[in-house]
Amino acid sequence: GIQVEQSPPDLILQEGANSTLRCNFSDSVNNLQWFHQNPWGQLINLFYIPSGTKQNGRLSATTVATERYSLLYISSSQTTDSGVYFCAVSNSGNTPLVFGKGTRLSVIA
Amino acid sequence: ETGVTQSPTHLIKTRGQQVTLRCSSQSGHNTVSWYQQALGQGPQFIFQYYREEENGRGNFPPRFSGLQFPNYSSELNVNALELDDSALYLCASSSGTGLYGYTFGSGTRLTVV
Repeated sequence: GIQVEQSPPDLILQEGANSTLRCNFSDSVNNLQWFHQNPWGQLINLFYIPSGTKQNGRLSATTVATERYSLLYISSSQTTDSGVYFCAVSNSGNTPLVFGKGTRLSVIA
Repeated sequence: ETGVTQSPTHLIKTRGQQVTLRCSSQSGHNTVSWYQQALGQGPQFIFQYYREEENGRGNFPPRFSGLQFPNYSSELNVNALELDDSALYLCASSSGTGLYGYTFGSGTRLTVV
C-alpha cells in the first residue's frame, strides 16, 4: 500500500518564527489532507490539497503531485499552533486515508 | 451544517468486556470510516462503511466489527477487550466520491484495565 513519510518528527520554535513541514508519499494520490491534532485529540482539517497551493491566514500548503510531496508552511507561529500535524493521503475516490506518523510542533513564548 | 459527533468521549472498560462506540456523520455524507490511534502514533484504519455496506477493512481482527444505519450514523463494536485496545478511536465521514476529503469527530478515548 501507499507509504507516507513526514519530516521532521519533532520541531521546537520560538513564537513568531516560521516553519515548513514536509510530507512525502510513495504513489499517486487523489486526496491529500493536512490535519492539526489538538491536545484533546481532535483532528482539525487544515487543507484538502491533492495538488496546487492554498492559503488560509498564516498557514499555506503546496502539493506537487508529480513529485509526490506536500509542504505545510506556518508563518509567525503562535503557542496555539502547538500540537501534532498529520499528513494523510488516499489514492482513489473513496478509499480510506493513510496517515504519516506526524510532526510534533512545540511553539514556546 | 453539523459536523461529526462521537459518543462517549471517554470510556473505561475491563479486559474481556465488550464496548460499543457511536458516530454521527456530517450532514450530506454517506461514508463513515473508523480509525484507532495509539498513544504517540498516527491513526490506523479499522474499516469503512458506504451506504450501510462495509467496503474496506484494515489489519484488525474480527472482534472489531461495525454497522452503518440508514441515516449513515455508525457503530464500532469491540469484543473481548484487550489491554492493547486502549486508544483514541476516531470516526470520519465523507461524501461518496471522497471529494473535499474527510471530516473527523473529536474521538472516544477508551481505556482497558
